[in-house]
Amino acid sequence: ETGVTQSPTHLIKTRGQQVTLRCSSQSGHNTVSWYQQALGQGPQFIFQYYREEENGRGNFPPRFSGLQFPNYSSELNVNALELDDSALYLCASSPGQPGDEQYFGPGTRLTVT
Amino acid sequence: AQSVTQLDSQVPVFEEAPVELRCNYSSSVSVYLFWYVQYPNQGLQLLLKYLSGSTLVKGINGFEAEFNKSQTSFHLRKPSVHISDTAEYFCAVSDTGRRALTFGSGTRLQVQP
Repeated sequence: ETGVTQSPTHLIKTRGQQVTLRCSSQSGHNTVSWYQQALGQGPQFIFQYYREEENGRGNFPPRFSGLQFPNYSSELNVNALELDDSALYLCASSPGQPGDEQYFGPGTRLTVT
Repeated sequence: AQSVTQLDSQVPVFEEAPVELRCNYSSSVSVYLFWYVQYPNQGLQLLLKYLSGSTLVKGINGFEAEFNKSQTSFHLRKPSVHISDTAEYFCAVSDTGRRALTFGSGTRLQVQP
């Protein structure tokens, strides 16, 4: 059974650019959540996708957007990058019921200069 | 909305000593509670969770936690720690209707020989 994978591992972008991060969910999981973890802080919920539909969103501006594909993999897109977007971006998949364990990927470290 | 407070940002402890990591939460609705561990340069791994039933929950690696509804707490304990337990520990909560997790700011457990 393959776990949650994320790509790329590290990324360096310039302020104002756009970035796409990718996540492959664990087999059999139809729900993907994205979190932003700034240095020294806990993860902050960005949004969640359930069966290709957005199913909840945290306190992030619209320049953070996402997609979920029919195979339940997902993308996180961030437009007009700001310095404060520098963080570890974590993807988590789960079977889809409240209370289910969320299985986290290793994350993508984004640095905005 | 929910919030989670982890009262200690760092907890130094000697090997084979007991440890307690404190977590308090705030919510106007029923919640599920979780503890995750994050090793350096890795994603998060579930230690244990409370959904309902017995308030004492046992998890992996010898950890346990007790849910106290009146004190809105979910403290994590281990009777004897090992060097390998050195990591960042996050308490998290979700309401029973949604799937998104709200995390605390984390507690760094540092086990010394």
